[in-house]
Amino acid sequence: QSALTQPASVSGSPGQSITISCTGTSSDIGGYNYVSWYQQHPGKAPKLMIYDVSDRPSGVSNRFSGSKSGNTASLTISGLQAEDEADYYCSSYTSSSTLFGGGTKLTVL
Amino acid sequence: EVQLVESGGGLVKPGGSLRLSCAASEFTFSSYSMNWVRQAPGKGLEWVSSISSSSSYIYYADSVKGRFTISRDNAKNSLYLQMNSLRAEDTAEYYCARASGYGALDYWGQGTLVTVSS
Repeated sequence: QSALTQPASVSGSPGQSITISCTGTSSDIGGYNYVSWYQQHPGKAPKLMIYDVSDRPSGVSNRFSGSKSGNTASLTISGLQAEDEADYYCSSYTSSSTLFGGGTKLTVL
Repeated sequence: EVQLVESGGGLVKPGGSLRLSCAASEFTFSSYSMNWVRQAPGKGLEWVSSISSSSSYIYYADSVKGRFTISRDNAKNSLYLQMNSLRAEDTAEYYCARASGYGALDYWGQGTLVTVSS
């Protein structure tokens, strides 16, 4: 049950696009199309932003998109806004657990 | 609006026990798998345990296996986590979360803080 690998931090200016990667193995990300992404603001509970690799829950901005290639999933945020500054976590379903990434701190410059 | 409200956190000595509860409302609790996820202070999210809608399937993270027990009471719309043999490294905010589909946690509670310290 090793954690998925994410960059510790990414940054971008308002209006720009950023991508956060999430690397796992063939036993998790590579083996299932069940990758989720969560946004967490300080002191708040996580919020589901993407599920099943690329689907968005109702109410989530279409500026958020997800994709997967092999054992690596990605979250792209386009048209960065100040409110996007938060921690982002990827997760992957496995047959007996849910794995999370270590988290990526997004700074909007 | 779906609501999940955790309770039962607090300060406990190493080796002690604690039982967390999560009260669910505004959805058909008995139809969903539920999870516990924790977050140590200043750290990332860690999945702890999951339980299927009818309690037929239960899974634990290796870090808590043999010490924690997840359960649910569908008649009371409640989820529980019995935590025994607590260690300092179990100190964290504990969230209950509803599972929608495979691994997607679509609703989360506000969390309850567990502190293990002498």
